[in-house]
Amino acid sequence: EDQVTQSPEALRLQEGESSSLNCSYTVSGLRGLFWYRQDPGKGPEFLFTLYSAGEEKEKERLKATLTKKESFLHITAPKPEDSATYLCAVPLMNRDDKIIFGKGTRLHILP
Amino acid sequence: SAVISQKPSRDICQRGTSLTIQCQVDSQVTMMFWYRQQPGQSLTLIATANQGSEATYESGFVIDKFPISRPNLTFSTLTVSNMSPEDSSIYLCSGTISGNEQFFGPGTRLTVL
Repeated sequence: EDQVTQSPEALRLQEGESSSLNCSYTVSGLRGLFWYRQDPGKGPEFLFTLYSAGEEKEKERLKATLTKKESFLHITAPKPEDSATYLCAVPLMNRDDKIIFGKGTRLHILP
Repeated sequence: SAVISQKPSRDICQRGTSLTIQCQVDSQVTMMFWYRQQPGQSLTLIATANQGSEATYESGFVIDKFPISRPNLTFSTLTVSNMSPEDSSIYLCSGTISGNEQFFGPGTRLTVL
């Protein structure tokens, strides 16, 4: 069964304390992996697409990496404004349209 | 990317009534989708809105309860019919331009009393 699992469910860090969020997937024939940021009461904001193992993408304090089994979202020296829920999602193998989401990691950066 | 707007942003409705949510995109998108997100949960796909034809519904969602229209490439509506408190949720629309990346609207927060 196609599945996306994110860990940890929640993470509290001090400002400046770097860490990583994990997204593991069991979808066969990966056709991309997406990272989104979602603030409370808002729709998900697209961050990155990764297509192949070894690929990396960066945006400000965020860096996303991809292996054959999982992806990591590294957060370097985070600030309180990085507090949000981070979602990853992958397209299904046999559906051109559908992507499935993990349950997300709620990140809270303490000042 | 695409900028997606939704109306209304929130509403409080009585059980048994219906609410229509509008989704407008600032550019033509190839596909549009409707999701539901319940408090503290991830996103669940309701249906794919197809232009000029009936929407494609996911398991557990039916047209009578969630009728969807998509008259053109930039606009879609979702109606939540005969509402009950269990329908209280955030409803999100999204679209794709090329590839599988989906861009989301801000959501409609629905509370059913």
